[in-house]
Amino acid sequence: SYELTQPPSVSVSPGQTARITCSADVLPRQYAYWYQQKPGQAPVLVMSKDTERPSGIPERFSGSTSGTIVTLTISGVQADDEADYFCQSADSSGTYVVFGGGTRLTVL
Amino acid sequence: QITLKESGPTLVKPTQTLTVTCNFSGFSLDTGGEGVGWIRQPPGKALEWLALIYWTDDKRFSPSLKSRLTITKDTSKNQVVLTMTNMHPVDTATYFCAHRIPSSNDIVFDMWGQGTVVTVSS
Repeated sequence: SYELTQPPSVSVSPGQTARITCSADVLPRQYAYWYQQKPGQAPVLVMSKDTERPSGIPERFSGSTSGTIVTLTISGVQADDEADYFCQSADSSGTYVVFGGGTRLTVL
Repeated sequence: QITLKESGPTLVKPTQTLTVTCNFSGFSLDTGGEGVGWIRQPPGKALEWLALIYWTDDKRFSPSLKSRLTITKDTSKNQVVLTMTNMHPVDTATYFCAHRIPSSNDIVFDMWGQGTVVTVSS
């Protein structure tokens, strides 16, 4: 089965840069998407097609890729960015959806 | 403005069948490209994709749960219904429905409902 691996947690101080990785276990890799989820709320799409920021998402959110690893970068982290972040992709045929295990971003 | 809202039982007994309904507005499931998906999240755990139905009535299911899932749409009511048979305590989760971005070649969700909490217990 297709899997996406994320670190369980990332901690940064306000104003620093947070990098959250998502590693796919096979190639070719489909596009990755990132969702932010705050406690008790539904997920919000914050990054699309690896590097495209949806409308309304702050510029401090950016995406990058290198091989099987996709990275969500949050520059100048703010307290409001504290949340769980989930990557999402699909199997090689694009038939079914897979989510990563999620990363808890803590702003110290 | 797209909105989605899930409804269903809060408590289900083991071996029973779960039926959850997604009522949506702001788009129509008879418009090209549109789709509605279901995703669940056990308490404190990761998101898990369950199923998706397209405007064509084409359906996609999680391979691990496919045998237990049914997804249907009622375009006239702007509703999508998911049923999951043979429920177990491990199926306890918040069940979300979500709108698929119609312009995307991928399955990606831009709007989500608030979720409905389902507990499986005798």
